[in-house]
Amino acid sequence: DAGITQSPRHKVTETGTPVTLRCHQTENHRYMYWYRQDPGHGLRLIHYSYGVKDTDKGEVSDGYSVSRSKTEDFLLTLESATSSQTSVYFCASLDRGDTEAFFGQGTRLTVV
Amino acid sequence: DQQVKQNSPSLSVQEGRISILNCDYTNSMFDYFLWYKKYPAEGPTFLISISSIKDKNEDGRFTVFLNKSAKHLSLHIVPSQPGDSAVYFCAASRGSSNTGKLIFGQGTTLQVKP
Repeated sequence: DAGITQSPRHKVTETGTPVTLRCHQTENHRYMYWYRQDPGHGLRLIHYSYGVKDTDKGEVSDGYSVSRSKTEDFLLTLESATSSQTSVYFCASLDRGDTEAFFGQGTRLTVV
Repeated sequence: DQQVKQNSPSLSVQEGRISILNCDYTNSMFDYFLWYKKYPAEGPTFLISISSIKDKNEDGRFTVFLNKSAKHLSLHIVPSQPGDSAVYFCAASRGSSNTGKLIFGQGTTLQVKP
């Protein structure tokens, strides 16, 4: 399995504060993704990256931004957290030419 | 617009019997389909996949069937075991794209009773 870690694993934050979640992979995978998992919605793509400094929006990108300054790190930032962003966030990575993405263990974020 | 749909939120089967999980998609550009399994407090893990040039792929107890005309795929688990109890996500991608994006369904929670 790919070495992909997320930090923090759990976070509670207040409405209106900025929050950054980190994803780190050691497999030199080209593609990285951020998903959120919510009951009844499955996994929804927030943002993805197809290379260093190359990112694009997914289906639920409003309120989120990302950055990828190094191959191994993909950061997800909630500019001003809202209660609707309470969710479990998963990072994934994929190598060029592969089709099976590997996932991190998730970050449970609670916005109060 | 849900491009990948799993219309059954849950499924309960007896140990040793067959589990059949279903998935429908709407985008005819999808050409690769995957199933992921997820235990509580863990990330999803890849289970099995199928290319659109095939209609069946087997891996041990797991078989995925693809019906392109109906835009439907299913995952069969035979025989089902209690350890198979998990959430199963169907996912689809466009191999022709250079992003590797996976679009997921809502998930089906499988419970296998001893």
